[in-house]
Amino acid sequence: AQSVTQLDSQVPVFEEAPVELRCNYSSSVSVYLFWYVQYPNQGLQLLLKYLSGSTLVKGINGFEAEFNKSQTSFHLRKPSVHISDTAEYFCAVCVYGGSTLGRLYFGRGTQLTVWP
Amino acid sequence: ETGVTQTPRHLVMGMTNKKSLKCEQHLGHNAMYWYKQSAKKPLELMFVYSLEERVENNSVPSRFSPECPNSSHLFLHLHTLQPEDSALYLCASSSGTVNTGELFFGEGSRLTVL
Repeated sequence: AQSVTQLDSQVPVFEEAPVELRCNYSSSVSVYLFWYVQYPNQGLQLLLKYLSGSTLVKGINGFEAEFNKSQTSFHLRKPSVHISDTAEYFCAVCVYGGSTLGRLYFGRGTQLTVWP
Repeated sequence: ETGVTQTPRHLVMGMTNKKSLKCEQHLGHNAMYWYKQSAKKPLELMFVYSLEERVENNSVPSRFSPECPNSSHLFLHLHTLQPEDSALYLCASSSGTVNTGELFFGEGSRLTVL
């Protein structure tokens, strides 16, 4: 079975500070990994994804994430946040291959709030 | 128009009403999904359609009835709902030929059941 744990439900930071949003997953098979962002009153938007290759993945808006297979983690980072980054962030995993078409398992989300 | 469009964005209904949520995708995808997003809970996958056939139904109560008339449109018919069904309902689509799990979401329909 697959599960996704986002260790922090809320992360408050000041503008221009660095931030890390943590995500751990459990799976007995290879997975694809994703971070989605949800701004207020909107749907989810893909921030970045890891499918294969380099373990450091760069996404939109200056975010990046690093896949660590031994620690089964996929933490999201940004060196300097802006107020506009205030949103809810969701980590998700997809089982590699098989018949589970686009079957994503989501974490509960982390609310990032950036203060001036 | 591009992307995934959901209507209505907001819906208030009584427990005896019948209403429908609509989703339309303009991405040429052939798989579509309904998710339920409730406060403090992970996103719940409700239904999956691939090539207009329902391939997954995650024990959703029968008061929710999906319909996929073609690969671009997806409906969620609602009847005799309960207050606990109040949530944000998200539609998504994906390219079914490559199972990477990347989904494209609509902005959601906020449902309130009185």
